[in-house]
Amino acid sequence: NAGVTQTPKFRVLKTGQSMTLLCAQDMNHEYMYWYRQDPGMGLRLIHYSVGEGTTAKGEVPDGYNVSRLKKQNFLLGLESAAPSQTSVYFCASNQPGEDTQYFGPGTRLTVL
Amino acid sequence: GENVEQHPSTLSVQEGDSAVIKCTYSDSASNYFPWYKQELGKGPQLIIDIRSNVGEKKDQRIAVTLNKTAKHFSLHITETQPEDSAVYFCAASRISGGYNKLIFGAGTRLAVHP
Repeated sequence: NAGVTQTPKFRVLKTGQSMTLLCAQDMNHEYMYWYRQDPGMGLRLIHYSVGEGTTAKGEVPDGYNVSRLKKQNFLLGLESAAPSQTSVYFCASNQPGEDTQYFGPGTRLTVL
Repeated sequence: GENVEQHPSTLSVQEGDSAVIKCTYSDSASNYFPWYKQELGKGPQLIIDIRSNVGEKKDQRIAVTLNKTAKHFSLHITETQPEDSAVYFCAASRISGGYNKLIFGAGTRLAVHP
């Protein structure tokens, strides 16, 4: 099992460019999450999904969109990147009724 | 709103000493309290957790205590080793919208010096 994987590991964008971050999990988990991690602020939830075809807003959703077309994949999109979106992005997943969330290795995004 | 405060933000100890990290939470409905360890360049990994019906839990050199009345919980690492050096995050969780909503502390950077 690879667990939770994220693509790409690093990316540099210019302001206004768009990109999609991919999260994949091979644990057949129903729930998936996208977080961002900023210095001194811990992890904050951007969007989450409780099943294929469903998504919902988290704590800091503005400027991001998500899609869950397949159960194993959760995509995070930035339509028009801004410097404030410079961060490290983590994906996580778990099963209903399971408290523990399993995290991917992260994507470091820099927006110039 | 809900928040979790974590202290200290940095902690430096000598190998073999103990390390203690403390967290307080605001949401009295929180019922699950995990601790994550994040090594450089990696994602957070769960190291220990505790539920609201338990006051203390131990796993080898790591222990967590919970005081629900005071709404605080702590991570204790004994006999620290250089490989314990990492950033540690606490979190508080409750069921919200059908999933466990995790609120994270800001993290503690632990450095263990040989």
